[in-house]
Amino acid sequence: KAGVTQTPRYLIKTRGQQVTLSCSPISGHRSVSWYQQTPGQGLQFLFEYFSETQRNKGNFPGRFSGRQFSNSRSEMNVSTLELGDSALYLCASTLLTGSYEQYFGPGTRLTVT
Amino acid sequence: GESVGLHLPTLSVQEGDNSIINCAYSNSASDYFIWYKQESGKGPQFIIDIRSNMDKRQGQRVTVLLNKTVKHLSLQIAATQPGDSAVYFCAEKRTGANNLFFGTGTRLTVIP
Repeated sequence: KAGVTQTPRYLIKTRGQQVTLSCSPISGHRSVSWYQQTPGQGLQFLFEYFSETQRNKGNFPGRFSGRQFSNSRSEMNVSTLELGDSALYLCASTLLTGSYEQYFGPGTRLTVT
Repeated sequence: GESVGLHLPTLSVQEGDNSIINCAYSNSASDYFIWYKQESGKGPQFIIDIRSNMDKRQGQRVTVLLNKTVKHLSLQIAATQPGDSAVYFCAEKRTGANNLFFGTGTRLTVIP
């Protein structure tokens, strides 16, 4: 069974631009969570989607948004990029919402210049 | 504030020795804990988990110990191998929350 895939793997953007990242969960998994990983803050939860609905949200500004499609694939969007948004963005899938075993993708490395 | 953190950011061990990675948490409403391993260029990989009603759980070469009295979690790796070199994170699942709260990680380096 294929794992969680994320595209693109690397991305360079400039301040003020917006970016969209994509995540395809493991086949059959319906819940997708997004995390931001930085050296200083570690892994921080962004939001979780299940059945195309946002179920849970972390403490991030409204510039960070996401959505989930009927095939469980998810996208996250960051608008008006700031230098501090440079990070590794990780997607994790689980079978159901609230499930403890999260399977992570390799991440998208976003660099904002 | 509440946090999940680690005592040491780096740990170096000789190949074949046992490794102990520690984690402190402050939220007493946590009901589930997980250890993840993250290798360079990869996402975190599940290693072992433990529920709050347990104090010890063993896996293959790994053991997790939970001390709820002092809110401390540890991961023991037996006969550490070069392939164990990675960053290790503890994460907690808090009652009523669906997401995991991660510590900042410990980098384990195995010296051949």
